[in-house]
Amino acid sequence: KQEVTQIPAALSVPEGENLVLNCSFTDSAIYNLQWFRQDPGKGLTSLLLIQSSQREQTSGRLNASLDKSSGRSTLYIAASQPGDSATYLCAVRGGRSGGSNYKLTFGKGTLLTVNP
Amino acid sequence: DGGITQSPKYLFRKEGQNVTLSCEQNLNHDAMYWYRQDPGQGLRLIYYSQIVNDFQKGDIAEGYSVSREKKESFPLTVTSAQKNPTAFYLCASSMGQGAAYGYTFGSGTRLTVV
Repeated sequence: KQEVTQIPAALSVPEGENLVLNCSFTDSAIYNLQWFRQDPGKGLTSLLLIQSSQREQTSGRLNASLDKSSGRSTLYIAASQPGDSATYLCAVRGGRSGGSNYKLTFGKGTLLTVNP
Repeated sequence: DGGITQSPKYLFRKEGQNVTLSCEQNLNHDAMYWYRQDPGQGLRLIYYSQIVNDFQKGDIAEGYSVSREKKESFPLTVTSAQKNPTAFYLCASSMGQGAAYGYTFGSGTRLTVV
């Protein structure tokens, strides 16, 4: 059964700091990995998607890396801003269990607070 | 703009009632999904549908039912058999099975039992 773990569970940083969020997964037979952002009481906004054949993806101040063989991904946020405060969720699609081709398995998220 | 619309945003259910949550997408996506989110537990898959008139149980399907009569629509019914329905419900869709396809989520429905 695929399991996804995110560390740390919460992170508080001053504005302008560069930071790294970590995600690990137990089954490396994935199709892709997606990072999402969730604001309180809202839905999920997709930030980056990394296909299993890729090593990293970049969008603006965000960079996500994937090491499939070791079951790890990191989300790097450069020059953090108070508007980056949210919960960041990592999710993987795929694994060796039945019916997993479509299913996304989520971590519990990292709650990020960027202080002005 | 293409996207996923969930309604209502807030829903209150009395004990013993069935309620239906709406999910509509105009992204022309083949697959649709329902997830439940509880504090401290992360998102868990309830049901998913790969094509019209076909759907599969997810990890926590008991007490829920779905239909997929149109490509654009995937309503979720929370039945009286669901013992703890208070949660945040999220609908999602994806183009298909390929590695290049990610999920798009709606804005959610918060269901509360009163």
